[in-house]
Amino acid sequence: QSVLTQPPSVSGAPGQRVTISCTGSRSNIGAGYDVHWYQQLPGTAPKLLIYGNTNRPSGVPDRFSGSKSGTSASLAITGLQAEDEADYYCQSYDNSLSGSYVFGTGTKVTVL
Amino acid sequence: QVQLVQSGAEVKKPGASVKVSCKASGYTFTKHAIHWLRQAPGQRPEWMGWINVGNDERKYSQNFQGRVTFTRDTSASTAYMEVSSLRYEDTAVYYCARLVWIGEYENWIDPWGQGTLVTVSS
Repeated sequence: QSVLTQPPSVSGAPGQRVTISCTGSRSNIGAGYDVHWYQQLPGTAPKLLIYGNTNRPSGVPDRFSGSKSGTSASLAITGLQAEDEADYYCQSYDNSLSGSYVFGTGTKVTVL
Repeated sequence: QVQLVQSGAEVKKPGASVKVSCKASGYTFTKHAIHWLRQAPGQRPEWMGWINVGNDERKYSQNFQGRVTFTRDTSASTAYMEVSSLRYEDTAVYYCARLVWIGEYENWIDPWGQGTLVTVSS
């Protein structure tokens, strides 16, 4: 299975800035496919956080921002808040084999 | 608002089949494909495939080809996913989600249904 790799966990104090990396390859992010980010609070379905590499859906605070470069992407959370404690997944498309939508390994954000 | 509401939790024995429904509201059902995904406990979401609700075209992930079937009822704005020959490792939360399509390189998944827990147990 194609893999987008994320750090297992990141943590920060309230108000701090944290970043989550998402490393792919030439068959997914490096091929030009957009990267999207999802936030999953405990016991709930994933929710779209960033789409098209850098865009926030309506209602998502501007504390969340995304970027993409080469075969990688990043999610930044500035002004960390307790309610940001969740799992975060990046997602893209992979054109190897017959093509599939692929998710990152996931990152647990802990607010200290 | 756009909403996907799934059917309730299921408990099935190994070898059985399960069918999950996903009722859409708040948008024109036939204008967006529906993805199906699953998430085993403690794991990342896994893409199973999608169904183009408008023309009934389907694409299945290689990991599920031959064991999963997607269907839809446009009159009821409902999509269905059936998994056959269930195994213990199929225990997971199954999600439907809407595909937002701009182009081949620009498409994303939003929103997701609330999820349906399928437990395979003898």
